[in-house]
Amino acid sequence: QLQLQESGPGLVKPSETLSLTCTVSGGSISSSYYYWGWIRQPPGKGLEWIGTIYYSGSTYYNPSLKSRVFISVDTSKNQFSLKLTSVAAADTAVYYCAKHWFSSSWTQVDYWGQGTLVTVSS
Amino acid sequence: SSELTQDPAVSVALGQTVRITCQGDSLRTYYASWYQQKPGQAPVLVIYGKNNRPSGIPDRFSGSSSGNTASLTITGAQAEDEADYYCNSRDSSGNHLVFGGGTKLTVL
Repeated sequence: QLQLQESGPGLVKPSETLSLTCTVSGGSISSSYYYWGWIRQPPGKGLEWIGTIYYSGSTYYNPSLKSRVFISVDTSKNQFSLKLTSVAAADTAVYYCAKHWFSSSWTQVDYWGQGTLVTVSS
Repeated sequence: SSELTQDPAVSVALGQTVRITCQGDSLRTYYASWYQQKPGQAPVLVIYGKNNRPSGIPDRFSGSSSGNTASLTITGAQAEDEADYYCNSRDSSGNHLVFGGGTKLTVL
């Protein structure tokens, strides 16, 4: 059974960089057709897609966050990571790492990490 | 447009049928996937593709699509179905994911 686990600081100061890592177990991050991504949810609000990466390194980012987001993958560690620069209070959210699956006519997010709350505050 | 629109809240009497809808231009090209989220928990995929249920999802959950609208139907709603429901698809470019704003389902 595939499992994903987020790790990283729970508190980040304004203007600094948020860094999170997702460790994948029970399967290979290099599997064909599996994509890996980050989704966040501000307290009491809805889900927002941040970005997605394929094991080859191809990335896709939310246009509204693209200038501040960088997602990378480390196949040797079966991990992928998120960096979000110049954070502000509006970036306070539960951050989920997740596995996506793309077909020609739909996308599914079929495995989710438990989520980690990141608070932006001085 | 890259947006998906959902009604903020819907209610259903116990044992009755409820439909939750999701509207967006990209749904003319891509099917929606649907997720159930209970308080304090990660979302769970309940419907994907044309009308597919992951293993373990009860068959009272079903999906459909027409034009720019996707629907999640719960036939015979149970108390444990009370949750937030989100739709998800790609935007019209096909390279970005989008989520609807979510629908809070109350089972009366």
